[in-house]
Amino acid sequence: LAKTTQPISMDSYEGQEVNITCSHNNIATNDYITWYQQFPSQGPRFIIQGYKTKVTNEVASLFIPADRKSSTLSLPRVSLSDTAVYYCLVGDALANQAGTALIFGKGTTLSVSS
Amino acid sequence: EPEVTQTPSHQVTQMGQEVILRCVPISNHLYFYWYRQILGQKVEFLVSFYNNEISEKSEIFDDQFSVERPDGSNFTLKIRSTKLEDSAMYFCASSEPLPWRMVGYEQYFGPGTRLTVT
Repeated sequence: LAKTTQPISMDSYEGQEVNITCSHNNIATNDYITWYQQFPSQGPRFIIQGYKTKVTNEVASLFIPADRKSSTLSLPRVSLSDTAVYYCLVGDALANQAGTALIFGKGTTLSVSS
Repeated sequence: EPEVTQTPSHQVTQMGQEVILRCVPISNHLYFYWYRQILGQKVEFLVSFYNNEISEKSEIFDDQFSVERPDGSNFTLKIRSTKLEDSAMYFCASSEPLPWRMVGYEQYFGPGTRLTVT
């Protein structure tokens, strides 16, 4: 599994765009990049997944440069409710046909203030 | 929106006692998982389950742990003789079947059971 590095914490204010960058220098050809969000006392929740370039959904955008050695999760106009821990996961999404274990790091704790 | 449910939300038990944590995965999902999170620490994978058998387990999932799908809806985690260090939040998750979509990392987590061993 590719090792990931992301900031331990970030602070932001309501209405700002937040970009959380994850480094994964040893990413393999078959690896996908996935981000999860975890609110206090809740289970993690899938946000977005991508392989290369840019992926956007109703929650966030994921930017992946051509070398794929890093990725950036972008949250547009955050609100207080976006305060959570954000995890970057990298792994071969197709490796295990019977389900894939998610290996979480410590994540980035995002604190949004008013 | 379908969701994973877990019961109980909080379980307090004495060291050495057996506990069973229960989960109802999303109905059309075929892959089931247990994770745990010790307070203030990261989420750790315990075990994955498919086709009525364990497909993968971590070092944490030793002989004290077992999983079962006793019927068509429930998925359980049993800890035979609890230790103080088993105190944690336990999350059940499920994911969709193959083969027509990628087996990605989109797993659906339940709200968790907080296990306190005294």
